[in-house]
Amino acid sequence: AQTVTQSQPEMSVQEAETVTLSCTYDTSESDYYLFWYKQPPSRQMILVIRQEAYKQQNATENRFSVNFQKAAKSFSLKISDSQLGDAAMYFCAYQEFSGAGSYQLTFGKGTKLSVIP
Amino acid sequence: NAGVMQNPRHLVRRRGQEARLRCSPMKGHSHVYWYRQLPEEGLKFMVYLQKENIIDESGMPKERFSAEFPKEGPSILRIQQVVRGDSAAYFCASSPGLEYYGYTFGSGTRLTVV
Repeated sequence: AQTVTQSQPEMSVQEAETVTLSCTYDTSESDYYLFWYKQPPSRQMILVIRQEAYKQQNATENRFSVNFQKAAKSFSLKISDSQLGDAAMYFCAYQEFSGAGSYQLTFGKGTKLSVIP
Repeated sequence: NAGVMQNPRHLVRRRGQEARLRCSPMKGHSHVYWYRQLPEEGLKFMVYLQKENIIDESGMPKERFSAEFPKEGPSILRIQQVVRGDSAAYFCASSPGLEYYGYTFGSGTRLTVV
């Protein structure tokens, strides 16, 4: 079974600074997708960024970018110019086609990010 | 263009009662996923449905849990004879098809069993 590991239960960053959240995963597949989701106190799961495994270029979305190392099975999230609104739980997730006919997401346990004014 | 709508947002049930959680997917979406989030954990897959069909229920507990997505109306996750361990946030997500896009989630229903 696929596993996703987020080794940092909590992180903090000064406002306007940069922070990197770590994620590693385990799979024997070559074709899959990776995601970072943000969950603020409202509980809404918000898609931050996604990466296709077949693409070598790292995905970027405004202040959010990833460092995807396929051979190392590593997928870290970098948040630049951190803002107070970035404070939330961040979940790394892996997706592939399952044998039972669906595209399940497998989530890590999350990293709680605090932003210090 | 409303997103994925889940209700109720909070649900309190006594042990042994039934819980019914509803999910209305985004307009035009015919694929629904249910996930459960236990305290201090990430979300875990439960079931994947298309209209009138359960496609993948490999994450559903074998007893007391069932799901449906009728031709008309919302998807329903039903938990019979709830126990304290069922207390969790239950999330629904929808997509327009079978695809890799990190589908759209609702805001979840927090079930508390007392």
